[in-house]
Amino acid sequence: AQKITQTQPGMFVQEKEAVTLDCTYDTSDPSYGLFWYKQPSSGEMIFLIYQGSYDQQNATEGRYSLNFQKARKSANLVISASQLGDSAMYFCAMEDDMRFGAGTRLTVKP
Amino acid sequence: NAGVTQTPKFQVLKTGQSMTLQCAQDMNHEYMSWYRQDPGMGLRLIHYSVGAGITDQGEVPNGYNVSRSTTEDFPLRLLSAAPSQTSVYFCASSYLPGATNEKLFFGSGTQLSVL
Repeated sequence: AQKITQTQPGMFVQEKEAVTLDCTYDTSDPSYGLFWYKQPSSGEMIFLIYQGSYDQQNATEGRYSLNFQKARKSANLVISASQLGDSAMYFCAMEDDMRFGAGTRLTVKP
Repeated sequence: NAGVTQTPKFQVLKTGQSMTLQCAQDMNHEYMSWYRQDPGMGLRLIHYSVGAGITDQGEVPNGYNVSRSTTEDFPLRLLSAAPSQTSVYFCASSYLPGATNEKLFFGSGTQLSVL
């Protein structure tokens, strides 16, 4: 089975600063995709961004972008200009088997 | 649109009791799945289905049964609840399993406590 790893249980960032959340994966498939989801304290799961292995450019969605390094098998989420509302759990997931990492709890400090 | 509807939102069971968590989606999605979320472990896949009549096991299937008699519904059954099954359960669906950029749509979750 494919494996996906998030090594940062918790992260802190100052409001208005950028933060990078790490995600590494292990797959032998040449074609794959990765998702990032956000889970605020209310509990719902919110889709943030998607990166396909054959995409020519790193994915971006507003303040969210992916630092996708295929050779290193990493797909780190970058949140720019952090806001208090960004405080949440963040999960990355492999597309093929829909398995999730353990998550990173991000806290944005005012 | 209702999206993915899970019921109940909260449930308390005694050890050994059985119950069914309901999940329904109105988006005509072929793929449906159940996850459990435990602190520090992320979401772990319990069972999934790629269409009516087709189900398969995920990472942690023991103690759970599923069936998929219609495209819309994917209930999760706990046959004999155990304290280890205390968790938050999420149902999710997507249009095509394994297709590119088919994000999951999640239900609002069920918080289950087994005493």
